[in-house]
Amino acid sequence: GAVVSQHPSWVICKSGTSVKIECRSLDFQATTMFWYRQFPKQSLMLMATSNEGSKATYEQGVEKDKFLINHASLTLSTLTVTSAHPEDSSFYICSAWDRDGLTNTGELFFGEGSRLTVL
Amino acid sequence: RKEVEQDPGPFNVPEGATVAFNCTYSNSASQSFFWYRQDCRKEPKLLMSVYSSGNEDGRFTAQLNRASQYISLLIRDSKLSDSATYLCVVSTDKLIFGTGTRLQVFP
Repeated sequence: GAVVSQHPSWVICKSGTSVKIECRSLDFQATTMFWYRQFPKQSLMLMATSNEGSKATYEQGVEKDKFLINHASLTLSTLTVTSAHPEDSSFYICSAWDRDGLTNTGELFFGEGSRLTVL
Repeated sequence: RKEVEQDPGPFNVPEGATVAFNCTYSNSASQSFFWYRQDCRKEPKLLMSVYSSGNEDGRFTAQLNRASQYISLLIRDSKLSDSATYLCVVSTDKLIFGTGTRLQVFP
């Protein structure tokens, strides 16, 4: 089945540094990818929708300048957490539709997630 | 009111038991419905889509009630390996996740 790969799986950084997380669809093209954040014992919260070749659409309350999203190709979206602080420590997960263009149906596949710890 | 609501549990059941989870959603325009399973510290994985007529996949049965705006998941003959968090997901123009219901199956 389709695979979405996310890298890195774990990252520990100092407060004030920037961290880039990559999300790749390995065997399908994804014009749209999604970025979620999950705090312990909480649900996945959609942060933004990443659109290939255009600006990402951010959910209410998510700072665009804080969480930079780039979707430069049909198989790669990146999320950069700029000037990370301890409260940004979380589990970040990306997902992409493996969509059948004819029927507009498909399945949403998730990356393995990236656990960010900001010291 | 949350867009998607689930009982967080945990549901502690013995092996072989039947357990059911419900999920309510607030947006009547919701179009697609799913159950995802998430193991601790892992990404969610699709368990099954939920169709209007209800659908079954082995020990798992999903049902949708549009009039009452809820979906359900029934697990029969629970296995230890069923222990996980079950996420209800509702789609409008985006996917909205419930907080999940934690299931713990004990021997």
